[in-house]
Amino acid sequence: RKEVEQDPGPFNVPEGATVAFNCTYSNSASQSFFWYRQDCRKEPKLLMSVYSSGNEDGRFTAQLNRASQYISLLIRDSKLSDSATYLCVVIPAPKAGTALIFGKGTTLSVSS
Amino acid sequence: DAGVIQSPRHEVTEMGQEVTLRCKPISGHDYLFWYRQTMMRGLELLIYFNNNVPIDDSGMPEDRFSAKMPNASFSTLKIQPSEPRDSAVYFCASSYGTANTGELFFGEGSRLTVL
Repeated sequence: RKEVEQDPGPFNVPEGATVAFNCTYSNSASQSFFWYRQDCRKEPKLLMSVYSSGNEDGRFTAQLNRASQYISLLIRDSKLSDSATYLCVVIPAPKAGTALIFGKGTTLSVSS
Repeated sequence: DAGVIQSPRHEVTEMGQEVTLRCKPISGHDYLFWYRQTMMRGLELLIYFNNNVPIDDSGMPEDRFSAKMPNASFSTLKIQPSEPRDSAVYFCASSYGTANTGELFFGEGSRLTVL
């Protein structure tokens, strides 16, 4: 089983739609979780962290389910500019300096 | 402040040639990472350094790959000899204490094509 797994998509949605991505991780000891965004032919950039209590940043909501070992990203009122690949990221061990492990990404295409 | 700087941005070479990719991390960052990205395998960690010391190189595919960080402002990833299956985008990233913020700052990548 891979450490971090995502549905690759693509998710094709119209503007204004709500879309959700899930990601599962294999290491139950994982402590830190993040979502990154990668635009076509660009480098990945941090979108948001995922906290145990869930967190929201504007139209974006991230949630963590430790029991089922998955994290989710919800995007409300999708914009054309949201079209990108969303990477689920896990730090698999609770110690400083451990490298981030990336999922392969879920591609979102928002159309007008 | 300048971000992570990688060179070359694009390289096309023939099988068997040596390839050297270069990275200048953000000043003050104490971690440096090399990742490789392909459609099939996604973003894979190759090696990372902390304070110029290699910490984990278990992701380096084989002996043809080597990485060095002679000082805090420079790192290289070398492939010798290169093979077509090495074709990928190679990203360098830096951070200050990854476990706390999870924020890696990536360079724009080096797109390698081995013919």
